[in-house]
Amino acid sequence: EPEVTQTPSHQVTQMGQEVILRCVPISNHLYFYWYRQILGQKVEFLVSFYNNEISEKSEIFDDQFSVERPDGSNFTLKIRSTKLEDSAMYFCASGSATSYEQYFGPGTRLTVT
Amino acid sequence: AQSVTQLDSQVPVFEEAPVELRCNYSSSVSVYLFWYVQYPNQGLQLLLKYLSGSTLVKGINGFEAEFNKSQTSFHLRKPSVHISDTAEYFCAVSVSYNTDKLIFGTGTRLQVFP
Repeated sequence: EPEVTQTPSHQVTQMGQEVILRCVPISNHLYFYWYRQILGQKVEFLVSFYNNEISEKSEIFDDQFSVERPDGSNFTLKIRSTKLEDSAMYFCASGSATSYEQYFGPGTRLTVT
Repeated sequence: AQSVTQLDSQVPVFEEAPVELRCNYSSSVSVYLFWYVQYPNQGLQLLLKYLSGSTLVKGINGFEAEFNKSQTSFHLRKPSVHISDTAEYFCAVSVSYNTDKLIFGTGTRLQVFP
């Protein structure tokens, strides 16, 4: 069964550093999403991406964040200058227009020290 | 705007007992409803979804949920739980006219005891 994959599974970085989180969505999906979950809290929407552009972004997704689909398979989330409060589990998800459901990857745990 | 409320942050239950996890939503437009499960240190797995049609939907692992439009609820039920059902359960909604973002509730931790 096809699945969404994410790398790395755990990333530790120092405050102020740039990080790139990578995702490989399910191959025939057209809609891509990033969510985050701060430890012990609910899953929050960050951004959705369709047709090579951002469809919607939340208030969390400020100028420090960017997304890119550099090739036909990868979908990345970049945080330019990480803050302590960016520490969270980041989930990538993908979906198709026909099933109206999103398939989540296993997540990347980002720890900012 | 849409919102989801999961009133129970934790639900302890003994093995083989029935369980109900409550979810209420608020929306001025039609929504799709979902239940996801998150096992420790894992990602989110779809349990079941309501898009339209029959208000009783069956999902994986013996779970089912009933959509009640008048009460704006989508409660999750299982007649007999197993130890392996111990996990965090999230109710979520999305706006039905688009492949829209999911809005999650705060989650309910189901703890099954032997």
